[in-house]
Amino acid sequence: EVQLVESGGGLVQPGGSLRLSCAASGFTFGSYWMTWVRQAPGKGLEWVANIKPDGSEQQYVDSVKARFTISRDNAKNSLSLQMNSLRAEDTAVYYCGRFGYDSGTSHIDFWGQGTLVTVSS
Amino acid sequence: QTVVTQEPSLTVSPGGTVTLTCASSTGAVTSSYCPNWFQQKPGRAPRPLIYGINSRHSWTPARFSGSLLGGKAALTLSGVQPEDEADYYCLLLSGGGWVFGGGTKLTVL
Repeated sequence: EVQLVESGGGLVQPGGSLRLSCAASGFTFGSYWMTWVRQAPGKGLEWVANIKPDGSEQQYVDSVKARFTISRDNAKNSLSLQMNSLRAEDTAVYYCGRFGYDSGTSHIDFWGQGTLVTVSS
Repeated sequence: QTVVTQEPSLTVSPGGTVTLTCASSTGAVTSSYCPNWFQQKPGRAPRPLIYGINSRHSWTPARFSGSLLGGKAALTLSGVQPEDEADYYCLLLSGGGWVFGGGTKLTVL
């Protein structure tokens, strides 16, 4: 059974840093693109970042470029999101997701339960 | 940056049929946009429904179907059930990244 479990959320002051983690199990972690998606309170979903299976390529939404870093440790089946220079608008539930690929298309096929990040003084 | 547009809200009667659409500011949506559809209920993580225009996940009920309609990705619910009341989001691949639509709040009334 595929499982994704996020951790590391909490309250942080503006300008501060936080590191989120996602523990993966039930599949060959090193074979899949992984992603972070966030959802501000009462708002829609926003794609944040992706990382290639071997970690050699990362993609980011413009609003987090140069502040957030996605990384992975395939030996530990773990995905991370290092968030620096946090702003109030980064307040959201952060979801870890797995990108599947079949029929010639990519899709997020599994999601974690999410971890809440609150940026406030 | 690409903007993906969905209907903010729709209402459907139980047993009825409703179509939700997903448009891209960059032009007509095609299979190369890898459209994904998700259902989300309050306090829950999104649940994948449809990918690659019209492929269902193993857990997706047959009453959910995907298509391309007038240059947009579309999600059709046929024989709507009360439990289908939820927020629905599309996701498109665009410009080296991915973009979600703003979501459609579907009310079953």
